[in-house]
Amino acid sequence: GNSVTQMEGPVTLSEEAFLTINCTYTATGYPSLFWYVQYPGEGLQLLLKATKADDKGSNKGFEATYRKETTSFHLEKGSVQVSDSAVYFCAFLNTGTASKLTFGTGTRLQVTL
Amino acid sequence: NAGVTQTPKFQVLKTGQSMTLQCAQDMNHNSMYWYRQDPGMGLRLIYYSASEGTTDKGEVPNGYNVSRLNKREFSLRLESAAPSQTSVYFCASSEGQGGNYGYTFGSGTRLTVV
Repeated sequence: GNSVTQMEGPVTLSEEAFLTINCTYTATGYPSLFWYVQYPGEGLQLLLKATKADDKGSNKGFEATYRKETTSFHLEKGSVQVSDSAVYFCAFLNTGTASKLTFGTGTRLQVTL
Repeated sequence: NAGVTQTPKFQVLKTGQSMTLQCAQDMNHNSMYWYRQDPGMGLRLIYYSASEGTTDKGEVPNGYNVSRLNKREFSLRLESAAPSQTSVYFCASSEGQGGNYGYTFGSGTRLTVV
């Protein structure tokens, strides 16, 4: 069935380090792909999205490219900050009568000085 | 800019008690959702409402009921709470169908069942 697999955390990085959080999906057709971020004590916020193959979503220095050939949507950032510490969720959109997102299990990122 | 408002933020229930979690959105969105978030399991869909007047089961509907009261409000009811329902509950809304619409989430309700 449809599913999302993302790397387990926690991921601990020093400030200014390069970040990659892997995400792969299993789905029929060509779903839309999303990254959401959850800061401590808050709900999820949309970080970026891509709706078709080879699209690149970007926001706040984060990027992810929709790779149909590898069914992946890896999240990257060139230089992380302490304020990026949060839980990151990869998600994709099920087709059907409602926009039902399927989420990965989340990856906690902790950035230290 | 309220977005999606959930009440209450925290709740402690005894096993067998009932309660309703409230959710309201002010963005005129058509679709609304209830998720639960548990450690190591991400977010799982409980129920959703594609449009006013319709509701459907998600991945984990057992032990819950929902009501789409109007376009703005979508409530989640636990008729007889169980410890397994201890979780953080999130309500979300989206403008419509298709990949161009992301979700807007509320800030969550942390529920503990003892």
